[in-house]
Amino acid sequence: DAGVIQSPRHEVTEMGQEVTLRCKPISGHDYLFWYRQTMMRGLELLIYFNNNVPIDDSGMPEDRFSAKMPNASFSTLKIQPSEPRDSAVYFCASSSSILSYEQYFGPGTRLTVT
Amino acid sequence: AQTVTQSQPEMSVQEAETVTLSCTYDTSESDYYLFWYKQPPSRQMILVIRQEAYKQQNATENRFSVNFQKAAKSFSLKISDSQLGDAAMYFCAYRSAYGYGGSQGNLIFGKGTKLSVKP
Repeated sequence: DAGVIQSPRHEVTEMGQEVTLRCKPISGHDYLFWYRQTMMRGLELLIYFNNNVPIDDSGMPEDRFSAKMPNASFSTLKIQPSEPRDSAVYFCASSSSILSYEQYFGPGTRLTVT
Repeated sequence: AQTVTQSQPEMSVQEAETVTLSCTYDTSESDYYLFWYKQPPSRQMILVIRQEAYKQQNATENRFSVNFQKAAKSFSLKISDSQLGDAAMYFCAYRSAYGYGGSQGNLIFGKGTKLSVKP
């Protein structure tokens, strides 16, 4: 299996621009998670999906952030408009079955907003 | 709410020696899972080892083992015969065992310990 795939690996954008991060979970996994990693706050869960439905988005920082999962093999995290404080590494992870405790992480997207 | 604390921001070990990374957590739940993840400079989060709270036996994966003390809410990672490739950030993480729902499905991470391995 190719593992969790994220794109792009690096993104540099200017403040105010729209940013879209993409994730392809491991085939057959029915849970998908978006995390953000910063030096100040460490690793934080932003949102997670089960069978393409958002279950908990309490970690989404504000309305500028939105996430979708139109099908079982694709998810996006969008920031509009982006701000310098959004600079971080964004990870996507997936897992299978309701009782699975092992989450597999993608390589992350390093976002820099200038 | 559950919390995970790693009190050692940085650790250093000589190649071939043994090092122990500390982790404590706080929870009112009786059933849960604990993990150690490794994050090398490549950024990839790699699962090193996991422990189910209902199991008394400490988990072991090759050179990696844990000391799980449920009453003390302590979960340390021991790396034996340290290798240069072990140099990385190590994160301790907690997950409720009560399935997914609301915030129960996510991993709660500590701040991490940066491990350096000296040749």
